[in-house]
Amino acid sequence: QQQVKQSPQSLIVQKGGIPIINCAYENTAFDYFPWYQQFPGKGPALLIAIRPDVSEKKEGRFTISFNKSAKQFSLHIMDSQPGDSATYFCAASNGDDKIIFGKGTRLHILP
Amino acid sequence: NAGVTQTPKFQVLKTGQSMTLQCAQDMNHEYMSWYRQDPGMGLRLIHYSVGAGITDQGEVPNGYNVSRSTTEDFPLRLLSAAPSQTSVYFCASSARSTGITYEQYFGPGTRLTVT
Repeated sequence: QQQVKQSPQSLIVQKGGIPIINCAYENTAFDYFPWYQQFPGKGPALLIAIRPDVSEKKEGRFTISFNKSAKQFSLHIMDSQPGDSATYFCAASNGDDKIIFGKGTRLHILP
Repeated sequence: NAGVTQTPKFQVLKTGQSMTLQCAQDMNHEYMSWYRQDPGMGLRLIHYSVGAGITDQGEVPNGYNVSRSTTEDFPLRLLSAAPSQTSVYFCASSARSTGITYEQYFGPGTRLTVT
């Protein structure tokens, strides 16, 4: 199964809150799990990525949590800011030249 | 480095017309791909290429053709446009090694409307 299921579809959080976006996958051969951030009118850009040999990865205010047994991973944004308002895509790949994307989460941070 | 460039930014076509969306990258990346983005559907892979002269189909290839004559360029052709092809199209490129996934660099997109 090649799908990556992402939730929620949209999310509104107060400034300073911690939005959490969740993704689930079926294919146990996936070994690379990136998150992409997209601002309106722009192309997606890599935000942070994790491989399944670790359970957590932090880069600045962004953290990926990875649960291999549950086949789930999530993005947490600490101390969220209005500038974080964007669409976020999770994705998965097994190195076969295809990256499977989730359907995206539109995040809005209220000032 | 310009990165990944796409032209045009916007295009309106009538049903049945043909056109080519241009994509170029200056990072010497072997891997290039085309996605379409529709509301609520995420990014769906149309075609991809792992090097000059090599192309393959993605998830939604019907109605689109590609070719890869150089490392730098990867044009997407619509032979007979249909309203269902109204979408935002993104080209992306990345480095490549067998069995390893690298960061994809996306272009700014082409917004296509077919009437």
